[in-house]
Amino acid sequence: AQSVTQLDSHVSVSEGTPVLLRCNYSSSYSPSLFWYVQHPNKGLQLLLKYTSAATLVKGINGFEAEFKKSETSFHLTKPSAHMSDAAEYFCVMPHSSNTGKLIFGQGTTLQVKP
Amino acid sequence: EAGVTQFPSHSVIEKGQTVTLRCDPISGHDNLYWYRRVMGKEIKFLLHFVKESKQDESGMPNNRFLAERTGGTYSTLKVQPAELEDSGVYFCASSPVPYSPLHFGNGTRLTVT
Repeated sequence: AQSVTQLDSHVSVSEGTPVLLRCNYSSSYSPSLFWYVQHPNKGLQLLLKYTSAATLVKGINGFEAEFKKSETSFHLTKPSAHMSDAAEYFCVMPHSSNTGKLIFGQGTTLQVKP
Repeated sequence: EAGVTQFPSHSVIEKGQTVTLRCDPISGHDNLYWYRRVMGKEIKFLLHFVKESKQDESGMPNNRFLAERTGGTYSTLKVQPAELEDSGVYFCASSPVPYSPLHFGNGTRLTVT
């Protein structure tokens, strides 16, 4: 069965320091993977996507993620956090049915302290 | 282009009442999805429309939930009668083709008291 696990429910960093949000996946095949972000009272916005091309994927707002098949991981990173990065982040995997149905991780709330 | 629009943004109803949530997808997007997040849980798939047809409704929790998409444009999700455990945030999303990333609305926060 497919699943996505986000290892931290909350992450707190200081502004200007690196961000690491961890995601592990389980799938019988090499999947596509996405990161979505939800700012308060907003919809989910696609941050970046991995679709079996380059394993290091760059997204919007300076975020990037690296697909590591050997570790079944797709961690999200940013070199320097900004106050506007405070939001909830979701690691997401498309269902194998290829109908657009998505499997979500539990979400990680990122707090950025001044 | 206008994004996915959901209405209302918040709804507070009593147990046993009926609520109807509406979703207007991006124009031209044949694929429309409903998802739900109950408190403390992950976001879960409810169902998928392709135009006006239900492609997959495997995530609908029970027969108190009825989704429609008449004419293949906007969709409604009716909960009747509402129960306490239906409280959560209901998201709608759309896409032009099923394997492209989804565009999400802001969600409807439903509180059943």
